[in-house]
Amino acid sequence: NAGVTQTPKFQVLKTGQSMTLQCAQDMNHNSMYWYRQDPGMGLRLIYYSASEGTTDKGEVPNGYNVSRLNKREFSLRLESAAPSQTSVYFCASSWRGIQETQYFGPGTRLLVL
Amino acid sequence: AQKITQTQPGMFVQEKEAVTLDCTYDTSDQSYGLFWYKQPSSGEMIFLIYQGSYDEQNATEGRYSLNFQKARKSANLVISASQLGDSAMYFCAMRGGTDSSYKLIFGSGTRLLVRP
Repeated sequence: NAGVTQTPKFQVLKTGQSMTLQCAQDMNHNSMYWYRQDPGMGLRLIYYSASEGTTDKGEVPNGYNVSRLNKREFSLRLESAAPSQTSVYFCASSWRGIQETQYFGPGTRLLVL
Repeated sequence: AQKITQTQPGMFVQEKEAVTLDCTYDTSDQSYGLFWYKQPSSGEMIFLIYQGSYDEQNATEGRYSLNFQKARKSANLVISASQLGDSAMYFCAMRGGTDSSYKLIFGSGTRLLVRP
């Protein structure tokens, strides 16, 4: 039982390049989330998927797109990377229950030059 | 708008002593949840404890307890018998809202350093 996995762990991009961050969970959770964490700050929600087949914008969606490929997988795409997108990206998932604890992946460290 | 405030950017505690990390929140929702996460230097986010807004008793998980004062809108984390491995960033977060997204809103965190 791996929990939430993310690939890659680290990536360097040049301005204007595109890339997709992958996330998968094996806990049969319905909801999945993408957050970014900038230095000295808490996490901010980029996009989320409350259930398979649905996606919605979070607090900071500009410059990103997402795809809920199936119940297990939720990807985040940067179409044209900018230095302001240098950050650590976390994927999380949760079960639609009373407690709704979100469990996080190990994070992807992205550097945009 | 919902908001989480952590006013202590950094704290020190002596090993084996207890420490309280402050968290205040703002929401107009009646039903909400409060969470604490630990982020060690390795970077992962580790769930510690949860308190629901309708829970009458304070949540406890091993050495962690949540001092929930609803009228004051505070949800402080208490770590008893601190260990060197407790040195980390600690984030308070809130889930709430009238939609079905169950999004989390995070505070800016408190860095705890445990002294031997």
